[in-house]
Amino acid sequence: GDSVTQMEGPVTLSEEAFLTINCTYTATGYPSLFWYVQYPGEGLQLLLKATKADDKGSNKGFEATYRKETTSFHLEKGSVQVSDSAVYFCALRSGYQKVTFGTGTKLQVIP
Amino acid sequence: DADVTQTPRNRITKTGKRIMLECSQTKGHDRMYWYRQDPGLGLRLIYYSFDVKDINKGEISDGYSVSRQAQAKFSLSLESAIPNQTALYFCATSDFPQGELFFGEGSRLTVL
Repeated sequence: GDSVTQMEGPVTLSEEAFLTINCTYTATGYPSLFWYVQYPGEGLQLLLKATKADDKGSNKGFEATYRKETTSFHLEKGSVQVSDSAVYFCALRSGYQKVTFGTGTKLQVIP
Repeated sequence: DADVTQTPRNRITKTGKRIMLECSQTKGHDRMYWYRQDPGLGLRLIYYSFDVKDINKGEISDGYSVSRQAQAKFSLSLESAIPNQTALYFCATSDFPQGELFFGEGSRLTVL
């Protein structure tokens, strides 16, 4: 079945540091890939997505590239801010099937 | 007002009690979902519904039931709550098969 593996947290960074959160997946066919973010006390919201190989999703300074050859969708940001502190979930959807989530990676950014 | 509203936001109950978590949405979406979030396990799908007459089990449906009362309303019930159902529950909607999920703010349930 489909699965998503993402790096365990928590990840603690200083403000303005470079962020990478690794995500790899296993799926049949050609899934769509997503990053969702959960701020403290809130529900998840879509951060970015990519629907086919080599697509790059981007939003709020975050980027992720759909790499079919390595089955990866790593999340990056060049300069994190305290306001980026949240839990980040990698996810995939195969065709019309349900969305499968990774276990989440907590990011803490300190001033 | 939030597009996806869950009630209650917090609930403490005792083992064996019946609990209902309610979800309503103003987004006009046909597809609705119930997820459970546990630390270290991410989100797991409990039930989903693609329209009012369609109900489907997710990966962890045992001990839960749902009702789709209208396009805008999707309720999750625990007929006899047990402590390992203590978790954060999320309702979500989507508008077409490839669309993003829109989440409510969550309902934190504690079963003593």
